Amino acid sequence: DTEVTQTPKHLVMGMTNKKSLKCEQHMGHRAMYWYKQKAKKPPELMFVYSYEKLSINESVPSRFSPECPNSSLLNLHLHALQPEDSALYLCASSRTGTGGGGYTFGSGTRLTVV
Amino acid sequence: AQRVTQPEKLLSVFKGAPVELKCNYSYSGSPELFWYVQYSRQRLQLLLRHISRESIKGFTADLNKGETSFHLKKPFAQEEDSAMYYCALWMDSSYKLIFGSGTRLLVRP
Repeated sequence: DTEVTQTPKHLVMGMTNKKSLKCEQHMGHRAMYWYKQKAKKPPELMFVYSYEKLSINESVPSRFSPECPNSSLLNLHLHALQPEDSALYLCASSRTGTGGGGYTFGSGTRLTVV
Repeated sequence: AQRVTQPEKLLSVFKGAPVELKCNYSYSGSPELFWYVQYSRQRLQLLLRHISRESIKGFTADLNKGETSFHLKKPFAQEEDSAMYYCALWMDSSYKLIFGSGTRLLVRP
C-alpha cells in the first residue's frame, strides 16, 4: 500500500457542528501532516506529527484539533468552524519527520462550512 | 525569511516546445528542494527531488546554490504535462516543507 487515504472526500457542515476528518497510511511512515489549501493557492502547513507526537502547530485556531491515535492514523476534529475555513484539507506522510525525503499526499477532503 | 518564489502563475507553450518553470528560494540553512505536480482532479504528487538528480517524465531540475534556484525543465512539452506545478523547500532547521505559489503549465496542441 503506497497511498494516503482520506475520508470523507467531501464534507458540508454548519458552523455549530462537530465533525472529524480522517487520514490513514500503511507505509510505515512515522511523520504525518495536515495542510490546508484554498482555491488557486499552495498548501499551507497546519500541523506536524512525528512519531505520534505533535511537533508543530502553525498557530492554528483551536477550533481545529488534531489527533494521532497510532502511527497509521491521523484525525482532524472540527468544531465551530467559520465559512472562511472552507478549503481542501490535505493529509500527507513521510518516512520520518526529521528529513525531507518527499511527502506522500492524500487526495484531500473538500470542506464547505455553511 | 525563508520563502519559495515561482514568478509565473501561468506558462503556456505549444506541444513539442521546451519548458522551463522557474523557482527561486531564500533559506539560510541547507535546503532540500522538490517539485510537486497536481494534475486536474488528482492528488498532489512528488515529481522530483534535487538530491536524487533524476529525470521523471522527461523533466529535470538542477539546484543552483549560487543563484538559489531550482528551475524545472523539459526539452519537449507534451499535452499531458498540463498541470499545476509547485516548487517546495524542506527546511532542516524547522522540519517544515513550504510551497511556492505554483505555476500552471498549459501545453497547447
